[in-house]
Amino acid sequence: SQQGEEDPQALSIQEGENATMNCSYKTSINNLQWYRQNSGRGLVHLILIRSNEREKHSGRLRVTLDTSKKSSSLLITASRAADTASYFCATDDRGSTLGRLYFGRGTQLTVWP
Amino acid sequence: NAGVTQTPKFQVLKTGQSMTLQCAQDMNHEYMSWYRQDPGMGLRLIHYSVGAGITDQGEVPNGYNVSRSTTEDFPLRLLSAAPSQTSVYFCASSFGVGTGGRREKLFFGSGTQLSVL
Repeated sequence: SQQGEEDPQALSIQEGENATMNCSYKTSINNLQWYRQNSGRGLVHLILIRSNEREKHSGRLRVTLDTSKKSSSLLITASRAADTASYFCATDDRGSTLGRLYFGRGTQLTVWP
Repeated sequence: NAGVTQTPKFQVLKTGQSMTLQCAQDMNHEYMSWYRQDPGMGLRLIHYSVGAGITDQGEVPNGYNVSRSTTEDFPLRLLSAAPSQTSVYFCASSFGVGTGGRREKLFFGSGTQLSVL
């Protein structure tokens, strides 16, 4: 399937440090998206990067995309305890007209005060 | 603006019982979908709809039925619940698909925790 895979599965850091999560996927895409899920809640969209973009910023978030390696990274700078959550990447499929969105298994980020 | 509303939030069923998970959105989104989330498995697509009267299967459709009679509502039916269907279910919606299968951001409901005994 076109499922993305996040790496690492779990990440534990101190407040103020940067957190980097990676995502790899299998086929050509139009968009890659990152979502956040707090414990017991639904997913919230963070940022979308298109296949013709290489880097995108939103506040403390920086996303990069390397379509030649079929990979993306999400950097959260100056992490806060409130950033503790699971982070998922999601991709569509350029070869399909269906517009399905495929999710990875997620990275569990814990930020210690 | 309510966004995507799912009911109920929690449900316990006995094996063989049937039930319907409700999902409604007020954003006039063409695309609606159901995912299940299991520990270590991420989110897996069950069924989706690209507009009223149009539905299709996702990755794990067995044991589930859907219909889309209106733009706003997309209920998920379990006809005969099984313990393997114990999971957290999320409904999500977005605007229509763009060219070449381009999918814009999804808006998620808060989820339904389902336990099948």
